[in-house]
Amino acid sequence: EAGVVQSPRYKIIEKKQPVAFWCNPISGHNTLYWYLQNLGQGPELLIRYENEEAVDDSQLPKDRFSAERLKGVDSTLKIQPAELGDSAVYLCASSYQNRGLFFGPGTRLTVL
Amino acid sequence: AQSVTQLGSHVSVSEGALVLLRCNYSSSVPPYLFWYVQYPNQGLQLLLKYTTGATLVKGINGFEAEFKKSETSFHLTKPSAHMSDAAEYFCAVSEADNAGNMLTFGGGTRLMVKP
Repeated sequence: EAGVVQSPRYKIIEKKQPVAFWCNPISGHNTLYWYLQNLGQGPELLIRYENEEAVDDSQLPKDRFSAERLKGVDSTLKIQPAELGDSAVYLCASSYQNRGLFFGPGTRLTVL
Repeated sequence: AQSVTQLGSHVSVSEGALVLLRCNYSSSVPPYLFWYVQYPNQGLQLLLKYTTGATLVKGINGFEAEFKKSETSFHLTKPSAHMSDAAEYFCAVSEADNAGNMLTFGGGTRLMVKP
């Protein structure tokens, strides 16, 4: 079984530029999560999808962050414009029923 | 609301020594508890989880954890550390009524293993 796939693995951009991250969850997993992990800290939930519906986006900074999961499968997280403080690892995870979360390798974003 | 506190952001042990990583949680409802491991430049991998039943939970790579409700703790242990255990470890809590899918993570503990 393939795991959660994320791309790109690394991204370096200048501040004020846009950036997008892509996630393909494990096949059959209806729940998809985007987490933010700052250096030396635990992951923090940004948004959770049940199929194509965002059911918890209370921690997503909506002025610059957006996400979509149009067909209830893969998802894209976008930042526009990026700020220096957005430098972090962005983790995608998926789950099915109560079988726990499976994480992708993450995208490490560096904003210069 | 729920939260997790991991005591000690860095723990160093000698190879072959006991590993003890501490985790305390707070939750207003019965918790599900998890330990994840993160190797450099990789995602988080589930080590073990407690949902209901036996309070001593065994996981992969020889790790185990014990749920102690009276102490609100879920400490992770391994009898004998191996060099390959060097990684970052995260404790997480979820409320049982959402099927364990809404995780709140602790700040992590970096385990270093000395030869």
